[in-house]
Amino acid sequence: QSALTQPASVSGSPGQSITISCTGTNSDVGGYNYVSWYQQHPGKAPKVMVYDVSNRPSGVSNRFSGSKSGNTASLTISGLQAEDEADYYCCSHTSSNTGVFGGGTKLTVL
Amino acid sequence: QVQLVESGGGVVQPGRSLRLSCAASGFIFSNYAMHWVRQAPGKGLEWVAVIWKDGSHAYHADSVKGRFTISRDNSKNTVWLQMNSLRAEDTAVYYCAREYYDGSGSASKFAYWGQGTLVTVSS
Repeated sequence: QSALTQPASVSGSPGQSITISCTGTNSDVGGYNYVSWYQQHPGKAPKVMVYDVSNRPSGVSNRFSGSKSGNTASLTISGLQAEDEADYYCCSHTSSNTGVFGGGTKLTVL
Repeated sequence: QVQLVESGGGVVQPGRSLRLSCAASGFIFSNYAMHWVRQAPGKGLEWVAVIWKDGSHAYHADSVKGRFTISRDNSKNTVWLQMNSLRAEDTAVYYCAREYYDGSGSASKFAYWGQGTLVTVSS
């Protein structure tokens, strides 16, 4: 159950787009379309932003989108806004019927 | 609306036990798998355990296997995490989370989260 690999930090200016990657193995990210992404502001509980690789819950801005290729999933945020500054985590189902998170990525809006 | 309220956290000595509770409301509890996820201070999220909607299957992370046990009572709309042989590295905020879709099994995706309860393991 090794954690999925995410960059520790990414940054972008307002209006720009950024992409956060999440790399796993054939036993998790590559084996299932059950990758989800969570946004967490300091002191708050996480909030789901994307599920099943690319589905967006109702109420989540369409500036957030997800994709997957092989063992790597990605979250793209377009039209960056100040309120997007937060920590982002990917999560995948695994072949052991467990869940596994990425290490998290801190997004800074410059 | 969906509510998940955790309780039972606190300060405990290494080697001792603690039981966390999560009271659910606002949805048909018996239709959903339930998870525990934890976050050590200043660190990332770590998946801990899942129990299927009918309690027939439960899975735990390797880091807690043999020490922690997830359970549920659908008549009480409650899920628990029994934590034994606690270690300093178990210090974290523990979140209860609901699986995204109803149905059998789990896809390890979380639609709703509680606000968390802090467990501190220290002598």
